[in-house]
Amino acid sequence: AQKVTQAQTEISVVEKEDVTLDCVYETRDTTYYLFWYKQPPSGELVFLIRRNSFDEQNEISGRYSWNFQKSTSSFNFTITASQVVDSAVYFCALSEGGSEKLVFGKGTKLTVNP
Amino acid sequence: DAGVIQSPRHEVTEMGQEVTLRCKPISGHDYLFWYRQTMMRGLELLIYFNNNVPIDDSGMPEDRFSAKMPNASFSTLKIQPSEPRDSAVYFCASSFWRNYGYTFGSGTRLTVV
Repeated sequence: AQKVTQAQTEISVVEKEDVTLDCVYETRDTTYYLFWYKQPPSGELVFLIRRNSFDEQNEISGRYSWNFQKSTSSFNFTITASQVVDSAVYFCALSEGGSEKLVFGKGTKLTVNP
Repeated sequence: DAGVIQSPRHEVTEMGQEVTLRCKPISGHDYLFWYRQTMMRGLELLIYFNNNVPIDDSGMPEDRFSAKMPNASFSTLKIQPSEPRDSAVYFCASSFWRNYGYTFGSGTRLTVV
């Protein structure tokens, strides 16, 4: 069965620090998809990125970057030069190729202090 | 596009009352999902539809919960009778292709007193 583990429950940093959010997943499928979502204090869930299991290239989008390593079943998310507006709960999620279901981790609450 | 629209945003009801949550997916999206978020259990998938047909309702907690999708632009999640432990944020999401990733609505915060 598919499973996502976000071991970091809460992280607190000071503005401009870099921070990495960890995500470890479990699946028996060879085809699967990984996602990150952001949930700011306002409560909505915002899609950040989607990655398929055949594409291990790291991705960078502005201050955000993602490191996908199949060897360790990890899909980590790094925010460079964090800002107060980055404060949110971040969720990692997984769907297997044969399923439409998206299984979420428990989330990591990031607080960026000024 | 207006995104996924949920109503109401907040609902406070008394135990035993019927509650109906509503969702309008993004036009053209074939998949619709209902999730529940609580502190204890995180985000749980309750049920999802493909082309208005329920595909998997294994996450629906009890018979008190039911969901319908009478057409491509509307879905409801009903709880009857409601109980305090149903208090949670209920999210609706839609997707135009499997595994593409969901677009979520703003959620309905349900409080049962």
